[in-house]
Amino acid sequence: KNEVEQSPQNLTAQEGEFITINCSYSVGISALHWLQQHPGGGIVSLFMLSSGKKKHGRLIATINIQEKHSSLHITASHPRDSAVYICAAGDLGAQKLVFGQGTRLTINP
Amino acid sequence: SAVISQKPSRDICQRGTSLTIQCQVDSQVTMMFWYRQQPGQSLTLIATANQGSEATYESGFVIDKFPISRPNLTFSTLTVSNMSPEDSSIYLCSVTTGVYGYTFGSGTRLTVV
Repeated sequence: KNEVEQSPQNLTAQEGEFITINCSYSVGISALHWLQQHPGGGIVSLFMLSSGKKKHGRLIATINIQEKHSSLHITASHPRDSAVYICAAGDLGAQKLVFGQGTRLTINP
Repeated sequence: SAVISQKPSRDICQRGTSLTIQCQVDSQVTMMFWYRQQPGQSLTLIATANQGSEATYESGFVIDKFPISRPNLTFSTLTVSNMSPEDSSIYLCSVTTGVYGYTFGSGTRLTVV
């Protein structure tokens, strides 16, 4: 069993839909990261969470430390949101990231 | 947060040759990380590079295959040596910025033919 599990692996939706991507982890974490990877391969950090909830524009990330679960939400989705979204757990003490397998999101116009 | 310039962005190489990937950071950072992402897979940490000491390699990765240099606090290189088609991957560097934050390079998409 992977230490960081994401669901779903693939998600296709229509423009405007509300999107949720889930992440469960089993390692002790210093922080939980949400990353966005575009087709060229570059990665952008979206959020770093240690508790509660964060919001940037149409993106919202939440974390429940007790349940070891995090979610990434996208409101009013747009085709430009199409990318792979990766959850990564900051390993407590080791200062390195453990990555989920990614969720490929496709938003159709 | 830090900005990383990673070069080259992509390359097609012949098997048996070597490719050196560079990452330049716009600020001084203590730790730099090198990752590999094989097709359809998530990222795997290759090694952690600290300035002034030898890189620390993860299980399954060895210095002879992936030599790393870290001559100063803003620059690092990863060489993929004696390449085979199995080395075709995206290679990324990353640094920690702030408390637990990470910044990633734009990636190097390597194809070995």
